Amino acid sequence: GAVVSQHPSWVICKSGTSVKIECRSLDFQATTMFWYRQFPKQSLMLMATSNEGSKATYEQGVEKDKFLINHASLTLSTLTVTSAHPEDSSFYICSARTSWGIDNEQFFGPGTRLTVL
Amino acid sequence: GEDVEQSLFLSVREGDSSVINCTYTDSSSTYLYWYKQEPGAGLQLLTYIFSNMDMKQDQRLTVLLNKKDKHLSLRIADTQTGDSAIYFCAETAPSNTGKLIFGQGTTLQVKP
Repeated sequence: GAVVSQHPSWVICKSGTSVKIECRSLDFQATTMFWYRQFPKQSLMLMATSNEGSKATYEQGVEKDKFLINHASLTLSTLTVTSAHPEDSSFYICSARTSWGIDNEQFFGPGTRLTVL
Repeated sequence: GEDVEQSLFLSVREGDSSVINCTYTDSSSTYLYWYKQEPGAGLQLLTYIFSNMDMKQDQRLTVLLNKKDKHLSLRIADTQTGDSAIYFCAETAPSNTGKLIFGQGTTLQVKP
């Protein structure tokens, strides 16, 4: 089956630093990847849609300068949280959309737990 | 706008059936999905139903869809402790962007 990995699985950083999270589709090419944010005991909030070779499309209310997304290849998208603050602490999940399966099925990564001190 | 609603918590005894309910607003969704999330992990697609179906059965899982009421349910037969997780229903957003709209998630607790 299709596998999506995320790296790192968890990260702790100091306030003001930037953190990069990688999302990789390991055995398929994904022209579209999605980045979600999940707060404890809450649903997934879509942050942005990342298309290979073009600028990401951000959802309303998501700061594009704060959350930089780069989809440089068909198997890799990165999310950089710039000048992170404690309120950015969250669980970040990516998904990669396939070109087959039901309605171009999405496969989800295992998530990255970000803690900003 | 689009909205997906779920009850937040369900507790059952091992061996019982679990029924998780969901309501959605966008009647144009082609597919409706059920995902499972175990603690500290990503989402795993459990099952899905095409919008022109009323029911789908997949081993212990039964999905019922009532399009008139925009109501979706997931029944897990013979619930096991390994079924304890958060279950999300999701619908596709109106535009063909692949976006999914998730409910709040239902935490299923299975007691031995």
